[in-house]
Amino acid sequence: AQTVTQSQPEMSVQEAETVTLSCTYDTSENNYYLFWYKQPPSRQMILVIRQEAYKQQNATENRFSVNFQKAAKSFSLKISDSQLGDTAMYFCAFIPLYNAGNMLTFGGGTRLMVKP
Amino acid sequence: GAVVSQHPSWVICKSGTSVKIECRSLDFQATTMFWYRQFPKQSLMLMATSNEGSKATYEQGVEKDKFLINHASLTLSTLTVTSAHPEDSSFYICSARRGVYEQYFGPGTRLTVT
Repeated sequence: AQTVTQSQPEMSVQEAETVTLSCTYDTSENNYYLFWYKQPPSRQMILVIRQEAYKQQNATENRFSVNFQKAAKSFSLKISDSQLGDTAMYFCAFIPLYNAGNMLTFGGGTRLMVKP
Repeated sequence: GAVVSQHPSWVICKSGTSVKIECRSLDFQATTMFWYRQFPKQSLMLMATSNEGSKATYEQGVEKDKFLINHASLTLSTLTVTSAHPEDSSFYICSARRGVYEQYFGPGTRLTVT
């Protein structure tokens, strides 16, 4: 079984600053994907960024980047130049590639508040 | 592409009645859909995996007779909350899987049981 842990229930950042959200996971799988999802007040889940475990290079999507440390089973999200629209719940998630079901396992979430 | 819709977005029902929530993949076929429940300020809790043409697989602790899931086509899965009670009030989210790992989420349904 997989577990995903987000140790920061709440965080805040000033607009235009940089913030890093932490995520650790536990698995015996070797092939998997990791995701960061954003859930704004509308509650629509939005995929922010994806990382394939076999890739050493950290994924980047515009202002969002990850620090993927496979040996440490760590997958943090860095948001640069934070914007008010980044205010949301952020969920880290894990999915094994070859296990039956391919179900997402979510972390508990981090509530991010971007302050003007 | 990869849009998933849910209907209704918000429903109020009386205790003891049943309510059906639909989840549709609008521009792709999904052999597998997932149903989640989310309480305020908490993470998504997987309730069941819905497979087209076969019975749903329920997570431990989820009452299959209360939460009926039907995946009748490659684009539609339904969740029926039977004999609803106030404790069933929650936010229900579906997702549809495309390929091996891609999941696309619906906008959610807020259920209030009075």
